[in-house]
Amino acid sequence: NAGVTQTPKFQVLKTGQSMTLQCAQDMNHEYMSWYRQDPGMGLRLIHYSVGAGITDQGEVPNGYNVSRSTTEDFPLRLLSAAPSQTSVYFCASSSGYNSPLHFGNGTRLTVT
Amino acid sequence: EDQVTQSPEALRLQEGESSSLNCSYTVSGLRGLFWYRQDPGKGPEFLFTLYSAGEEKEKERLKATLTKKESFLHITAPKPEDSATYLCAVQDSNYQLIWGAGTKLIIKP
Repeated sequence: NAGVTQTPKFQVLKTGQSMTLQCAQDMNHEYMSWYRQDPGMGLRLIHYSVGAGITDQGEVPNGYNVSRSTTEDFPLRLLSAAPSQTSVYFCASSSGYNSPLHFGNGTRLTVT
Repeated sequence: EDQVTQSPEALRLQEGESSSLNCSYTVSGLRGLFWYRQDPGKGPEFLFTLYSAGEEKEKERLKATLTKKESFLHITAPKPEDSATYLCAVQDSNYQLIWGAGTKLIIKP
C-alpha cells in the first residue's frame, strides 16, 4: 500500500523560479488537500479538492495553483517562488469531509 | 474566532512516567476533534477522532478524552518509541480543520 506519495522530498529554489510539487494517492479518495507546516504554527490549508475537476482555496492560497484532472493526482504549482514560501509541504487525502486525513511524507522546500 | 491551543509545547518524561497532553479549543459547532502523531521527517499519522463531550478512545498506551472546551491525550507508562510530536485538530461546523501547533513528546529510557 503506497498511500499518499509526494515528490520530491527536498527542493531548493531561487527567488522567482517556478516548480510543481507532485502528489498521488492510490486509495481512490475523492478529497485531497495541500498544507504547509511552519515552526511553531499549526498546519495551514493551501488548496483542496473534493473531486476531479473541482478545486478551491484554503487559508493561504496566494502564490500557489492547483489542478485535479484525475482522482489520483493533485499537483501544487509555485508560480514565482518567494523566501516566504520556505516550508514543509504536505499533501493529504481522505474518503470524506469528516474522515481522517492520510498524509504523504512531505516536501521540504527552501527558497533562497 | 476559532482557535486551537496545545500545551505544553514540549514535554520530557522518563520511560514509564505517565502524563497528559492538552488541546484546548474554541470553535463554532464542533463536528469532531482529531489527534495525530508525527515522527520527524514524516507526515502526520491519524490516531483518534472524538465527536462529543464525554467520549473516550484508547489505543495501546494512549487514551484520548473530550470535554466541551478541551481534549486530553493521556499517555500511560510511555516507552521511547512513543516519542513524537502530537497534533490536535478541530473540525468546525463548515468542516474546516483548525490545527494546533503540536506538543513534542520526548521519552527518555
